[in-house]
Amino acid sequence: NAGVTQTPKFRILKIGQSMTLQCTQDMNHNYMYWYRQDPGMGLKLIYYSVGAGITDKGEVPNGYNVSRSTTEDFPLRLELAAPSQTSVYFCASVEDTGYTFGSGTRLTVV
Amino acid sequence: GQNIDQPTEMTATEGAIVQINCTYQTSGFNGLFWYQQHAGEAPTFLSYNVLDGLEEKGRFSSFLSRSKGYSYLLLKELQMKDSASYLCAVRDQGGSYIPTFGRGTSLIVHP
Repeated sequence: NAGVTQTPKFRILKIGQSMTLQCTQDMNHNYMYWYRQDPGMGLKLIYYSVGAGITDKGEVPNGYNVSRSTTEDFPLRLELAAPSQTSVYFCASVEDTGYTFGSGTRLTVV
Repeated sequence: GQNIDQPTEMTATEGAIVQINCTYQTSGFNGLFWYQQHAGEAPTFLSYNVLDGLEEKGRFSSFLSRSKGYSYLLLKELQMKDSASYLCAVRDQGGSYIPTFGRGTSLIVHP
């Protein structure tokens, strides 16, 4: 049982490049979330999904897109990377009270 | 929306007891969580309170007062490995199970 798996763990992007952060969970959870965490700040919600085919914006969605074609996968897309998107990104899923986080992706945009 | 407040940093001595407070204002309430996060790692679940009172789990306990919008995490018999950030998160009453996180309290345990 792998839980929530995120890839890659680290990435350096140039301004204007695009990339997809992958998130997969094998717990059959319907609810999944993408957060970003900046130094000294709490986790900020980017996007979330309550089930396959359903996504919605969180607190800081600008510059990002998501899709949820299956229950297992919830990828986060950055289309035109900007230095403000330098952060650590966490994917999470939940079943009732059990929130499980992935190990995170540390992204630097230069 | 949610507004969550917790101290930025605390220090304590190995073997001691420390209490980390969290206050919140929310338009709806459906549970409060505490997470532990070591530097460079993902948050890990510590506790969940939805009713008033104290929940004890080994060296860690969490307390909730819904009428006061207040919770605390109590850590006993502190160990060096307890040095970490402790995140308070509140979940609203909507059907999306979204928790809103505070900025976290950085706890430094020294010998």
